[in-house]
Amino acid sequence: GAVVSQHPSWVICKSGTSVKIECRSLDFQATTMFWYRQFPKQSLMLMATSNEGSKATYEQGVEKDKFLINHASLTLSTLTVTSAHPEDSSFYICSATELGISNQPQHFGDGTRLSIL
Amino acid sequence: GNSVTQMEGPVTLSEEAFLTINCTYTATGYPSLFWYVQYPGEGLQLLLKATKADDKGSNKGFEATYRKETTSFHLEKGSVQVSDSAVYFCALSDLGSGYSTLTFGKGTMLLVSP
Repeated sequence: GAVVSQHPSWVICKSGTSVKIECRSLDFQATTMFWYRQFPKQSLMLMATSNEGSKATYEQGVEKDKFLINHASLTLSTLTVTSAHPEDSSFYICSATELGISNQPQHFGDGTRLSIL
Repeated sequence: GNSVTQMEGPVTLSEEAFLTINCTYTATGYPSLFWYVQYPGEGLQLLLKATKADDKGSNKGFEATYRKETTSFHLEKGSVQVSDSAVYFCALSDLGSGYSTLTFGKGTMLLVSP
């Protein structure tokens, strides 16, 4: 149980393109979803936390207008990288926690590798 | 604030060797502690967890004990396999604003050779 599906797994696109990444909880309802960014050989950096039906909470230094997060339902959150540039190239990972269960571990998607040319 | 410190890698071992990856933490309150594993090109998988002092988490031959007195959660395995090669992240969570925000260590790469 507790499977999180992230799509697409790999994106290559031109500079200036906007890219949408989906994160779905397949067999549970997710109160909260998290978006992370991971640089090569480094740890995960939390970008933002989103709760269904409300605005995302962004970490310091993360541009809200660059990284748009929508959490429209209890099973889907999306991250849109707007007007992407080469410096946005990275590995993006989402995670989710289950509705109504406090202090449960986050369940992670398999990540999306974004390459901007 | 919260923080997690892991030993730097890579840790290089031969198959069937004993593994220890050290992890210490600083936190306010009583966090839960986790070990996650990341295989190349993939997301993170929960390996094991412990939610209170003296709890021992275990899975797939790995284990770690929540030591409040030494603020540690070291990962151990008695006999590693080549398939255990991956990056291991120690993490803690506290309820904070009511949901479990994770604080990760920097990760430790494990390389197991046949």
